[in-house]
Amino acid sequence: DAKTTQPTSMDCAEGRAANLPCNHSTISGNEYVYWYRQIHSQGPQYIIHGLKNNETNEMASLIITEDRKSSTLILPHATLRDTAVYYCIVRVELTGGGNKLTFGTGTQLKVEL
Amino acid sequence: NAGVTQTPKFRILKIGQSMTLQCTQDMNHNYMYWYRQDPGMGLKLIYYSVGAGITDKGEVPNGYNVSRSTTEDFPLRLELAAPSQTSVYFCASSAAWNTIYFGEGSWLTVV
Repeated sequence: DAKTTQPTSMDCAEGRAANLPCNHSTISGNEYVYWYRQIHSQGPQYIIHGLKNNETNEMASLIITEDRKSSTLILPHATLRDTAVYYCIVRVELTGGGNKLTFGTGTQLKVEL
Repeated sequence: NAGVTQTPKFRILKIGQSMTLQCTQDMNHNYMYWYRQDPGMGLKLIYYSVGAGITDKGEVPNGYNVSRSTTEDFPLRLELAAPSQTSVYFCASSAAWNTIYFGEGSWLTVV
């Protein structure tokens, strides 16, 4: 499985953009990058995913480099409620269908006033 | 708006006891998963199911059993509980290779 590397922690001022980096240099050509977050030991919450094009939804934007070896999750206007652990995951397709998401230890994002 | 529902939320077990964690989803997803999360760590896949009657092992299956008799339900059974099984357990579901949706977790302590 492709491994991901993320900073252990980051701080961000409320209202500013939070840019969370992720390295996935061993990713294969057909593997997707997924981002989840986990707020205070709740169930992980899906944020966004992408293959090679940049993606945007109501929560965030995902920028994937052209060589696909790294990506950045952008929360455009971070709020205190965005304080969470953010996981960058390379999705593996299981035999017969379904996904395997291998979670690392993620990045603890702290949004402050 | 139920999604994935897990019960119980909290449970304390004595060493050697057995119990079942219940999981049900109302999204008609074929694929269901059980993960565990130890303190300060990421989630690890215990078992998964690609449909009723079909289950397979994940990364850390030892000490657990699962069954999938219906599309909606995917219970996880702990036999002969050990302190190493103290963890938070998350059930999840997805449609084919689409996004996985997680439940809120079940906190289990084995003493």
